Amino acid sequence: KAGVTQTPRYLIKTRGQQVTLSCSPISGHRSVSWYQQTPGQGLQFLFEYFSETQRNKGNFPGRFSGRQFSNSRSEMNVSTLELGDSALYLCASSLSGLKETQYFGPGTRLLVL
Amino acid sequence: GENVEQHPSTLSVQEGDSAVIKCTYSDSASNYFPWYKQELGKRPQLIIDIRSNVGEKKDQRIAVTLNKTAKHFSLHITETQPEDSAVYFCAASKDQAGTALIFGKGTTLSVSS
Repeated sequence: KAGVTQTPRYLIKTRGQQVTLSCSPISGHRSVSWYQQTPGQGLQFLFEYFSETQRNKGNFPGRFSGRQFSNSRSEMNVSTLELGDSALYLCASSLSGLKETQYFGPGTRLLVL
Repeated sequence: GENVEQHPSTLSVQEGDSAVIKCTYSDSASNYFPWYKQELGKRPQLIIDIRSNVGEKKDQRIAVTLNKTAKHFSLHITETQPEDSAVYFCAASKDQAGTALIFGKGTTLSVSS
C-alpha cells in the first residue's frame, strides 16, 4: 500500500497570506490527524477528522482550520499567516482511530516571511 | 489540558548499553501511550504503544512500562545499536479514539559504537 502523502512538500509564504495543505491517507484509513512540529514547541496536535467530521481539536487559534472529503483526503488551511506559523506540518492517518497506529506523512515545511 | 513531560532531553550511550526514557503525564484520564521514533529528516514512526489496562509491554529489544498511580511511563531499549540513534517522542491521549496525541518534547538518543 502507498503511504501517507502530503502536498506540497515545501512552501514559502508572506505574513498575512493564507495557505492550504493537503494530506492523502493510506487507502482504507478514515482518520486523519494534523500536527505542527517546531524546534521550540515540538509536536503539537491541531485536529483530527474522521468520516468528514472533526472529532478532536487541539488548542490552536481559529486561523487554523481543516476539512475532510468523502475519500478521506484532508486539507488544512491557515489564514492570516504569522511568522510563528513557520513549521513542519505533519498529517497522520489510521484505520478508524481506535487507539491504532497512526502513520505519518513526510510533512509540509512552511516558511512564513 | 494534558501535559506530557519527557526526560532526559538528550541521552548518549555506548553500543550494547541500555537506554531509558521517562515521561510523566498530568491528566489521569489519559489511557493510551504511544512512543514514536523520528530519524533526522524523516517522519515519526510508532515503535511501541501501551494502553492503560496494561502495565508492561515488550517487543524484542524495546519495552514500555506504565505506572498509572504515579502517572508516568518509560521506554526501555536494551542492547542499543547505532541505528537506534534518533529522537524519541512519548505521547498520551485521553480521547476514545486515541488520535489526539499530546507529545513530550523528545529525547535525542545517540548510540556510539
